[in-house]
Amino acid sequence: GESVGLHLPTLSVQEGDNSIINCAYSNSASDYFIWYKQESGKGPQFIIDIRSNMDKRQGQRVTVLLNKTVKHLSLQIAATQPGDSAVYFCAETDNYGQNFVFGPGTRLSVLP
Amino acid sequence: NAGVTQTPKFQVLKTGQSMTLQCAQDMNHEYMSWYRQDPGMGLRLIHYSVGAGITDQGEVPNGYNVSRSTTEDFPLRLLSAAPSQTSVYFCASSLVMNTEAFFGQGTRLTVV
Repeated sequence: GESVGLHLPTLSVQEGDNSIINCAYSNSASDYFIWYKQESGKGPQFIIDIRSNMDKRQGQRVTVLLNKTVKHLSLQIAATQPGDSAVYFCAETDNYGQNFVFGPGTRLSVLP
Repeated sequence: NAGVTQTPKFQVLKTGQSMTLQCAQDMNHEYMSWYRQDPGMGLRLIHYSVGAGITDQGEVPNGYNVSRSTTEDFPLRLLSAAPSQTSVYFCASSLVMNTEAFFGQGTRLTVV
């Protein structure tokens, strides 16, 4: 889930397990959502996106689920690998549908 | 294909100094933006541009100027640096607004 402040929520999973990262968004009018992955010292990298007319979208080892009723977005990573260790951000379009508003992020730590 | 290139990667400024963070993209993207990232927080939008000659303010524009004289370049200027501007700055571009954004590697700025 999301939190405010200096301390990122952290999710620790065993290598090979599935990971689920959650995000609560605030703008009920948002029509586009993106998940980004950010490794230490690097810029955010696109993972997967979803439009508001869908509730599920799958990529390679990743699935994004959108629940508009409760304004909830989740990212599922199958068979989590050490290379998946990073901070994951969800982003939603703003009130004007022009720019993205980013959540504070969740740190995923993959345990050997 | 270099993508989004930011320079410099690291910079230390004294309070009151000015400087320009450079950003260039070679993907012929119309939309470019600048974000700052502070510890434990998501990315916050500083300024954005929907095309050459057009710029607009984001969530945290104070203390920063931008210009967009060409499609490729979108420099960010700090007019009089303050310690509160210590942050990691990311430039991003996308084909058009509200689509997948490609990020640069970031500039870590420290103002002392």
